[in-house]
Amino acid sequence: GAVVSQHPSWVICKSGTSVKIECRSLDFQATTMFWYRQFPKQSLMLMATSNEGSKATYEQGVEKDKFLINHASLTLSTLTVTSAHPEDSSFYICSARPTGSDEQYFGPGTRLTVT
Amino acid sequence: GDSVTQMEGPVTLSEEAFLTINCTYTATGYPSLFWYVQYPGEGLQLLLKATKADDKGSNKGFEATYRKETTSFHLEKGSVQVSDSAVYFCALSSRGRYDKVIFGPGTSLSVIP
Repeated sequence: GAVVSQHPSWVICKSGTSVKIECRSLDFQATTMFWYRQFPKQSLMLMATSNEGSKATYEQGVEKDKFLINHASLTLSTLTVTSAHPEDSSFYICSARPTGSDEQYFGPGTRLTVT
Repeated sequence: GDSVTQMEGPVTLSEEAFLTINCTYTATGYPSLFWYVQYPGEGLQLLLKATKADDKGSNKGFEATYRKETTSFHLEKGSVQVSDSAVYFCALSSRGRYDKVIFGPGTSLSVIP
């Protein structure tokens, strides 16, 4: 149980375009989902916390107008990278916390490459 | 701010060797400590956790003890297997702010037959 999926697993887009990444909790409801970014050989960096039905809370230094997060249901959160640039190329990982639990379950990640 | 440091990898061991991956942390208050594992092509999985000083977390033969005096949470396993090859992340979650998990950089482990 407690499976989180991400789609797509990898995506290549051109500079200036936008790309949407989906995070789904497959067998549980998640009031809270998290979005992380991971650079090669570096730690996971929390970008934002999204709560179902409300605005996401962004970490310091993360541009909320660039990384749009929507958590429209208890099983789906989306991250949209707007006007992507090569420096946005990274590995994006989401996690979901089941309602009433203090544990997080992680998705497999999405590799974004901006050309 | 809070941070986690862990030993640089990659680490390569022969099957049945003893494993230690060092982890130290900096935090205000009394954080909860975690080890996560990421197998190739999969998401992060919680391996074990400890929520207070002197607690020992254990799972799948892995152990780690919360040492407040040395601010450490070293991961150990007595006999590694090829299937243990993965990236291991030490992490903390500050008490009172359970939402925010801070990760170390990860240590890649390769176990060879």
